Amino acid sequence: DSGVTQTPKHLITATGQRVTLRCSPRSGDLSVYWYQQSLDQGLQFLIQYYNGEERAKGNILERFSAQQFPDLHSELNLSSLELGDSALYFCASSVAGPPTDTQYFGPGTRLTVL
Amino acid sequence: DQQVKQNSPSLSVQEGRISILNCDYTNSMFDYFLWYKKYPAEGPTFLISISSIKDKNEDGRFTVFLNKSAKHLSLHIVPSQPGDSAVYFCAASDSSASKIIFGSGTRLSIRP
Repeated sequence: DSGVTQTPKHLITATGQRVTLRCSPRSGDLSVYWYQQSLDQGLQFLIQYYNGEERAKGNILERFSAQQFPDLHSELNLSSLELGDSALYFCASSVAGPPTDTQYFGPGTRLTVL
Repeated sequence: DQQVKQNSPSLSVQEGRISILNCDYTNSMFDYFLWYKKYPAEGPTFLISISSIKDKNEDGRFTVFLNKSAKHLSLHIVPSQPGDSAVYFCAASDSSASKIIFGSGTRLSIRP
């Protein structure tokens, strides 16, 4: 158990819909990262927040947005969903900001868009 | 543009033997490299890392080698055990850009 929690575990929705994925980091971790893993693909870095502020941006689509709240939990919002958005979405947390810090991953949310 | 490549999608190794997983990168700005291990239905877990100022880092049965001139790193597991069966992701970061790039993973199977 990494100490990072993600809800929900599974999500099935239709094209065009909007969903919100939630992540609670390990106690004491200030950074939260979001990743997307499509079938047979590596982990695509989406975005990082550090202590409530956006720190780094990766391959995140404009239809996607995220935020980190004062209690440090984070939400990833996916809108106007397409079939290709079906993937595993992982959240990770680390103590501080730099990517050299060990990242602890949650179990992921499996999103299926029908 | 795949900046971090794991060209072997899968690898099968006999228990007790050495497992060697390879990773190539293209961005010379990468200065820190990591390996993560992933079991089914779980998130990746950190395994071992290496800074670009080193060429080797060892932690128990796991050793990572870095060849900067070839832009290549490898993970050696010796001896391989059944619990090592998992997907292994190589990752590289450019600390100035605050980003980390993952490879597509290699599925390692340890056979009895």
